[in-house]
Amino acid sequence: QQQVKQSPQSLIVQKGGISIINCAYENTAFDYFPWYQQFPGKGPALLIAIRPDVSEKKEGRFTISFNKSAKQFSLHIMDSQPGDSATYFCAASISGNQFYFGTGTSLTVIP
Amino acid sequence: AAGVIQSPRHLIKEKRETATLKCYPIPRHDTVYWYQQGPGQDPQFLISFYEKMQSDKGSIPDRFSAQQFSDYHSELNMSSLELGDSALYFCASSRGQGNTEAFFGQGTRLTVV
Repeated sequence: QQQVKQSPQSLIVQKGGISIINCAYENTAFDYFPWYQQFPGKGPALLIAIRPDVSEKKEGRFTISFNKSAKQFSLHIMDSQPGDSATYFCAASISGNQFYFGTGTSLTVIP
Repeated sequence: AAGVIQSPRHLIKEKRETATLKCYPIPRHDTVYWYQQGPGQDPQFLISFYEKMQSDKGSIPDRFSAQQFSDYHSELNMSSLELGDSALYFCASSRGQGNTEAFFGQGTRLTVV
């Protein structure tokens, strides 16, 4: 059973465009929602994370929007660059215990 | 900055053999997590340790065991290897129980032939 549902599975965006990846969860006990970026053959790298008491968090070109009532959160990548091409995973955890990952989104940014 | 170190990076084993994967967390990190990632799959949680004690357990097969040592490094022991065990194995570390920023290592690619 997938605890965190992620969409889309793949995404193609033009350079300079906005990439949007969405995730949804059911377990209201989740209290930490990170996003990881993974390049082929590499480990997931923590990009940005949010807690449910905050509706939005921005770090550089990356923004997480969080909707607690809808149990949804999303990653926005502004001014997408070819170097952003990677697989992105959303995740959720309870107090830093095991992370439940989404199924991943393969992002391709076309020059 | 120091990152999570995993060794070996690549490992090829035959069916029914045993493998040991090692993880060295970021200095001063006392929590270690192990994940298994199949091709095109999301990472699946196996097991975690905090202060050398098992803190959480996921979908780890009985053929696998793990421990965290006094220097906080961790080892994942895998016995009676099966073809289906072929995957990327990631270790992640964080500081403090309940601390949520977890950093992943580069992974060990295990191939069972």
